[in-house]
Amino acid sequence: EAGVVQSPRYKIIEKKQPVAFWCNPISGHNTLYWYRQNLGQGPELLIRYENEEAVDDSQLPKDRFSAERLKGVDSTLKIQPAELGDSAVYLCASSLGGTGRKTQYFGPGTRLLVL
Amino acid sequence: KQEVTQIPAALSVPEGENLVLNCSFTDSAIYNLQWFRQDPGKGLTSLLLIQSSQREQTSGRLNASLDKSSGRSTLYIAASQPGDSATYLCAVIGGSTGGSEKLVFGKGMKLTVNP
Repeated sequence: EAGVVQSPRYKIIEKKQPVAFWCNPISGHNTLYWYRQNLGQGPELLIRYENEEAVDDSQLPKDRFSAERLKGVDSTLKIQPAELGDSAVYLCASSLGGTGRKTQYFGPGTRLLVL
Repeated sequence: KQEVTQIPAALSVPEGENLVLNCSFTDSAIYNLQWFRQDPGKGLTSLLLIQSSQREQTSGRLNASLDKSSGRSTLYIAASQPGDSATYLCAVIGGSTGGSEKLVFGKGMKLTVNP
């Protein structure tokens, strides 16, 4: 069974530029999560989707971050414009079932460096 | 607000030792607790999930226990091997102030097992 797929794996951009990350969850997993992990910290949830609906985006900085999950499968997370403090690893995870209480399966992450 | 603490932040041991990794959380009204492993440059791999009604879970050389009332969990690694070297993260879902669907992570503990 294929795991959670993310691309790109690495991205280096200059500040004020836009950037987008893509995630393909495990087949059949209706719950999808985006996390941000700063160096030396645990991941922090940015947004959670149940199918195509964003049910928890309270931690998403909406002035510059946006996300979408068309057709309830793949998802894209965008930052525009990027700031130096956005340098981090962006992790996508998915789980089966309607709550976050199920085991979450993580992708390898996208490592973003903003110069 | 739920807070998860892992102490120490790093541990270096010789191969073959039995290890105990500690995790504490401030709000005992959790639904479950999960232990993850993260290898450098990789995503997170779920090791064990303990439901709030359970006291422990075992998988191979790993055993995780949960004492919800005291807000503590331990991950026991038997006969450690160099391949166990990684960062171990503890995360909980739930709390009396909501967040029932959001994993709250500790900062992790970096384990190095020396041959």
